[in-house]
Amino acid sequence: AQSVTQLDSHVSVSEGTPVLLRCNYSSSYSPSLFWYVQHPNKGLQLLLKYTSAATLVKGINGFEAEFKKSETSFHLTKPSAHMSDAAEYFCVVSERAAGNKLTFGGGTRVLVKP
Amino acid sequence: DTEVTQTPKHLVMGMTNKKSLKCEQHMGHRAMYWYKQKAKKPPELMFVYSYEKLSINESVPSRFSPECPNSSLLNLHLHALQPEDSALYLCASSPPGTVTGELFFGEGSRLTVL
Repeated sequence: AQSVTQLDSHVSVSEGTPVLLRCNYSSSYSPSLFWYVQHPNKGLQLLLKYTSAATLVKGINGFEAEFKKSETSFHLTKPSAHMSDAAEYFCVVSERAAGNKLTFGGGTRVLVKP
Repeated sequence: DTEVTQTPKHLVMGMTNKKSLKCEQHMGHRAMYWYKQKAKKPPELMFVYSYEKLSINESVPSRFSPECPNSSLLNLHLHALQPEDSALYLCASSPPGTVTGELFFGEGSRLTVL
């Protein structure tokens, strides 16, 4: 069975400082991993995806994530936070053995202080 | 701007009403999804249509009835709902032949059941 744990339900950063959102997953096979962002009263938007190619994945808006199989982690980072990064972030896993069904983490709410 | 369009954005209905949520995409995607999202929670999968056929029903109560009239349209018919059905209903689509989990979401229809 697959599962996803986002280690922080809330993260508060100052504008211009780095952002780190932590995600650990459990999967029986080689998973595909994703980060989605949801701004207030909006739908979800794909930030980036890992699909067994390069372990360091670059996404939109300056975000990147590193797949570490030994640590079963897929943490999301950004070097310098912007006010527009304030949103909810979801780490998502998908694996073929689960019928390609998506499993969402509980979400991390990011607050950016000016 | 999202390329998955959902209407209406807001809907208030009584428990005896019949209403419908609509979703439209013109990206040529052949898989379409309904998700339900409660406040401060991740989205929960309700239904998946693949090539206009219902492929997944996540044991959703029959008061929710999906319909896929063609490859661009997805409806969710609502009847005799309960107050606990109040939520944000998200439609999503995904193109054929791409990595599973790469979904394009609409902005959602916020439903309030009185």
